[in-house]
Amino acid sequence: QKEVEQNSGPLSVPEGAIASLNCTYSDRVSQSFFWYRQYSGKSPELIMSIYSNGDKEDGRFTAQLNKASQYVSLLIRDSQPSDSATYLCAVIRVNTGKLIFGQGTTLQVKP
Amino acid sequence: NAGVMQNPRHLVRRRGQEARLRCSPMKGHSHVYWYRQLPEEGLKFMVYLQKENIIDESGMPKERFSAEFPKEGPSILRIQQVVRGDSAAYFCASSPGRGQTEAFFGQGTRLTVV
Repeated sequence: QKEVEQNSGPLSVPEGAIASLNCTYSDRVSQSFFWYRQYSGKSPELIMSIYSNGDKEDGRFTAQLNKASQYVSLLIRDSQPSDSATYLCAVIRVNTGKLIFGQGTTLQVKP
Repeated sequence: NAGVMQNPRHLVRRRGQEARLRCSPMKGHSHVYWYRQLPEEGLKFMVYLQKENIIDESGMPKERFSAEFPKEGPSILRIQQVVRGDSAAYFCASSPGRGQTEAFFGQGTRLTVV
């Protein structure tokens, strides 16, 4: 079982719609959770961090964490073509501080 | 405040040569991660370092690869006797500490072995 799992996609949504990206993790004691965005040929860029159960909103982005279900998600409201990228879920293992990434989900926002 | 700096951005090596990749963390950051990424694939963890200390090297190949983060100067990822399979993008990220801290990436080094 992979430590961090994401559906590779592609996830295709029309412009203006809500894009929902999901991630599960296997280590129950993981303590910190992040979403990064990576455009083709570029380096990952941090979008959101979330540390406690519930929702965290920042502009058009909302991160949701459910530690009991070992599940973290990212919602993108009013999706724009410029949001088309690969979204990487990452977790920190509490014992070592190791930052581990999922395979990423490719999002395509169609005009 | 400068971000994470990696150099060189592009590196071409012949098979059997050595590759040295450098990563200067953000100011105030004392922890560095190294990752390898092949085209259309995810980020594969290699090593996690604190200044003068390797915290986790579980993703490093047993041979030819080494990493260091000295008290002064950048973190170095060293690949000896490179082979074509080492061709990839290598990214480093830095953070101020362990646990609930955000990590920021450099622009990466694209290594091509010919």
